[in-house]
Amino acid sequence: ILNVEQSPQSLHVQEGDSTNFTCSFPSSNFYALHWYRWETAKSPEALFVMTLNGDEKKKGRISATLNTKEGYSYLYIKGSQPEDSATYLCAPNTGGFKTIFGAGTRLFVKA
Amino acid sequence: GAVVSQHPSRVICKSGTSVKIECRSLDFQATTMFWYRQFPKQSLMLMATSNEGSKATYEQGVEKDKFLINHASLTLSTLTVTSAHPEDSSFYICSARANSGHRGYTFGSGTRLTVV
Repeated sequence: ILNVEQSPQSLHVQEGDSTNFTCSFPSSNFYALHWYRWETAKSPEALFVMTLNGDEKKKGRISATLNTKEGYSYLYIKGSQPEDSATYLCAPNTGGFKTIFGAGTRLFVKA
Repeated sequence: GAVVSQHPSRVICKSGTSVKIECRSLDFQATTMFWYRQFPKQSLMLMATSNEGSKATYEQGVEKDKFLINHASLTLSTLTVTSAHPEDSSFYICSARANSGHRGYTFGSGTRLTVV
């Protein structure tokens, strides 16, 4: 069973703050890692798919890094805005098509 | 982009009845569909994986006779919760992988099931 841990569980920040979350996963048999943004009452939205050690991806104010050798990924949000409030899920898979989700980091951005 | 339509978004049913949840891929062919369940304050737990035209593969601990999955076409997969009980109350969500080889997954909007 793939054990995925995300920290922190929740995070409260002020508008304009920059923040980051961690996703830890077993490094063996790594295939790909997905980050999703999930707002209440909506479908999870794919942010990044990362496959290579050292990968860095960026989408606007959100970026992510990947370390497959030590089994972690960081998600960064620069200058948080209230609309960034959501649950951020990471989901690694070890090949095949099965994706296992972390419990998520719930971000609250206060205006 | 790829869209998965999931219905119903919310359903309340009586204990002992069955509920069917549908997921349709609207603009792509979903060769594989994943069904997840989320308990309060927990992660999405994979229940089963279905491939078009074949039997679903269930995760350990998931009763296949309780949660019937049908993936009869490349655009439709259904999950039927049979003889539902209050402990089946949960959030169910599907995710599809297109057959184009893209590594991303597209989610439905989820179904909140309440069994009374």
